[in-house]
Amino acid sequence: RKEVEQDPGPFNVPEGATVAFNCTYSNSASQSFFWYRQDCRKEPKLLMSVYSSGNEDGRFTAQLNRASQYISLLIRDSKLSDSATYLCVVKDNFNKFYFGSGTKLNVKP
Amino acid sequence: EAGVVQSPRYKIIEKKQPVAFWCNPISGHNTLYWYRQNLGQGPELLIRYENEEAVDDSQLPKDRFSAERLKGVDSTLKIQPAELGDSAVYLCASSRQNNEQFFGPGTRLTVL
Repeated sequence: RKEVEQDPGPFNVPEGATVAFNCTYSNSASQSFFWYRQDCRKEPKLLMSVYSSGNEDGRFTAQLNRASQYISLLIRDSKLSDSATYLCVVKDNFNKFYFGSGTKLNVKP
Repeated sequence: EAGVVQSPRYKIIEKKQPVAFWCNPISGHNTLYWYRQNLGQGPELLIRYENEEAVDDSQLPKDRFSAERLKGVDSTLKIQPAELGDSAVYLCASSRQNNEQFFGPGTRLTVL
């Protein structure tokens, strides 16, 4: 079983739509959680950290559900420029990072 | 603040040849990581350094891969000899105290 699992997608949505991704993790003792964004043939870039209380950054909202061992990312009012692959990242209790395989988002005009 | 620098950006070699990648982390970042990313997959950790100490190299194929981080700053990753299956993007990242990571542009390796 993979440490971090994501739906690969693609999620095809029109501009202005709201879209949500989930990511599950297997180690209940995991400590830290992040969402990264990766454009085609580019490096991953930190989108946001995910805190226990949830956090919001503009159109992006991240939530953590420790009981069910998943994190989510909600994107409101999707823009064409949001098209990318979104990587879920988990740091376990041994300080090791695990990346999901990513969820591909296509925002269409 | 300058980002993580990697070189070369692209490398094409024949199998059984050696290859080396170089990384310069963000100034002040004591943790340095080397990842390998295959198409359609997330990055997979090869080795993590805390300053000059390799604290996690459990996923590094030690028969052909080696890495060093002299003086706790720059790092090099070497493959000798390269195999066809080593074709991938090799990413270097750095962070303060093993927290949020910042990635370099990567080296795209093609082994023929």
